[in-house]
Amino acid sequence: AQSVTQLDSHVSVSEGTPVLLRCNYSSSYSPSLFWYVQHPNKGLQLLLKYTSAATLVKGINGFEAEFKKSETSFHLTKPSAHMSDAAEYFCVVRTTGNQFYFGTGTSLTVIP
Amino acid sequence: DAGITQSPRHKVTETGTPVTLRCHQTENHRYMYWYRQDPGHGLRLIHYSYGVKDTDKGEVSDGYSVSRSKTEDFLLTLESATSSQTSVYFCAISGAGEGETQYFGPGTRLLVL
Repeated sequence: AQSVTQLDSHVSVSEGTPVLLRCNYSSSYSPSLFWYVQHPNKGLQLLLKYTSAATLVKGINGFEAEFKKSETSFHLTKPSAHMSDAAEYFCVVRTTGNQFYFGTGTSLTVIP
Repeated sequence: DAGITQSPRHKVTETGTPVTLRCHQTENHRYMYWYRQDPGHGLRLIHYSYGVKDTDKGEVSDGYSVSRSKTEDFLLTLESATSSQTSVYFCAISGAGEGETQYFGPGTRLLVL
């Protein structure tokens, strides 16, 4: 069975400080993993994805994520938060049956 | 942006009435999905389709039905709307290959009174 756990429902950071959004997954095989961002009253936009190539994945807007199989984690990071990063972030795992399982989301607040 | 549109974008309806939401894609992707988004739950899969006339249930399919008569269109029907179906509904598409990404439509806000 596949599942995703986002360990923090809310994260607050000051502008210019690092961002860490945590995601753990459960999968019976090597999964495809994604991070999406959703700004208020908007649709979902792909930030980055992991598909068994390099374990460190670079995405848009300076975000990165590292796939750690031993820890079953896929945490999202950014060195320096910007006000425009305030949004909801979703970690997603894709199954071989082409279904996608979403975490419950992490709301990121950026304090000026 | 992937070519996905949803209609209507907003709808208010009354309990007990049928409602149909439409998703249209111009990408010729094989897979199409309907999700609902509610606070604290993330996105939950309602139904998905893996080809014309081929559909399957997701985790929250009760009270919903779907149809796909053409590659580009995927319809979601609330057979008899209830207040618990007030939500934001997202359509998504993806290809069938390994590592294919899922792309989302803009969403439909549904209020059932």
